Amino acid sequence: AAGVIQSPRHLIKEKRETATLKCYPIPRHDTVYWYQQGPGQDPQFLISFYEKMQSDKGSIPDRFSAQQFSDYHSELNMSSLELGDSALYFCASSLYRGGSYNEQFFGPGTRLTVL
Amino acid sequence: AQSVTQLGSHVSVSEGALVLLRCNYSSSVPPYLFWYVQYPNQGLQLLLKYTSAATLVKGINGFEAEFKKSETSFHLTKPSAHMSDAAEYFCAVSGSSSGSARQLTFGSGTQLTVLP
Repeated sequence: AAGVIQSPRHLIKEKRETATLKCYPIPRHDTVYWYQQGPGQDPQFLISFYEKMQSDKGSIPDRFSAQQFSDYHSELNMSSLELGDSALYFCASSLYRGGSYNEQFFGPGTRLTVL
Repeated sequence: AQSVTQLGSHVSVSEGALVLLRCNYSSSVPPYLFWYVQYPNQGLQLLLKYTSAATLVKGINGFEAEFKKSETSFHLTKPSAHMSDAAEYFCAVSGSSSGSARQLTFGSGTQLTVLP
């Protein structure tokens, strides 16, 4: 079965640079979530999109922005990178079916290292 | 608002012994509860979920969890540990399907070590 695809898997950037992370949800899934997992930390919710509209916002810094495109893939744009942004970034997708909740399926993550 | 507390950041068991990972939740609405497993340098894999159906939930790899409202708990168990169960386990909660509480809130994780 198709899974959530994230690219790139690894990314190394310098401070103050920008980065773009991409997420391709499971086919027919309409909701995408972004999470950040720092070293030794639990995943923290950043932002989510449903049907290409932002649905929820968590602890996402103002330097970050995201969007969901017409093909449902999503991109997380990160600017003015800081050392503390080094983390594993997960994307998850789910299908919001008729008001019922379905579990989130996670991608393998993008490991961002800021030097 | 929802939150989960995982008791014990590290748990060690012998191979073949019972695995018990504890999770207590706090939620102002009927919760949906999940257990995820994370192997080193990998993503999160769903083990099982509780979404207000049966209180005893069976998952993959022989794991199960019981939702106890009176205790606000959702502990994860497995009768007999295997070496391959060594990983980090996260309990997570989300709110009801309506409204804006569908994102997952994770506990701090429990690292399970299985001793030969």
